[in-house]
Amino acid sequence: EVQVVESGGGLIQRGGSLRLSCAVSGFSVSANFVSWVRQAPGKGLEWVSVIYNNGRTYYAESVKGRFTISRDTSQNTVSLQMNSLRAEDTAVYFCARSGWDWIFDYWGQGTLVTVSS
Amino acid sequence: QSVLTQPPSVSAAPGEKVTISCSGSNSDIGDDYVSWYQQLPGTAPKLLIYDNYKRPSGIPDRFSGSKSGTSATLDITGLQTGDEADYYCGAWDSSLTTYVFGTGTKVTVL
Repeated sequence: EVQVVESGGGLIQRGGSLRLSCAVSGFSVSANFVSWVRQAPGKGLEWVSVIYNNGRTYYAESVKGRFTISRDTSQNTVSLQMNSLRAEDTAVYFCARSGWDWIFDYWGQGTLVTVSS
Repeated sequence: QSVLTQPPSVSAAPGEKVTISCSGSNSDIGDDYVSWYQQLPGTAPKLLIYDNYKRPSGIPDRFSGSKSGTSATLDITGLQTGDEADYYCGAWDSSLTTYVFGTGTKVTVL
């Protein structure tokens, strides 16, 4: 059975840093794409970042240079290091699996990040 | 960041049909497969349609998808109260090298 569990969210001041974690079971992070997708309160979905099975990483323009995605294959986890946080980064952050086909078939329940100004 | 355009809301009575459009460009929908996601209130998105029209196991055939050029469509027939949710389309944008979601459509069962 596939499970995706995010953690690490919370209340943080503007300009601060936070590290989110995505723990998965039922598939290997080294054999799949893992993305972070966020949803601001009352708003739509926004893709944030991905780490490919080969380790390559990509980011949305809105977070490029501030966020870093990484993985720990021994722990089967994916992390999102978020620096220089802004009020507009306030959102629920979801972790989702896909392949090269960009089909997000498994999602976590999300973790809420609130950036206070 | 580019997004795909959807109507904010659609509604219909139980048993009727709704159609949700998703408009993009040559670099996203025109160049890649489209997926659709259903998000029930307070929950994570759920894969509904992939590769433009395919349904994952467990998704009823009341949900169907299609694509033509730079637009895609999700049809829901035999509308049920449990279908009340937000629906999002999505595709990879080859020029931006990012994944883009639609603006989202809220389905209301009257």
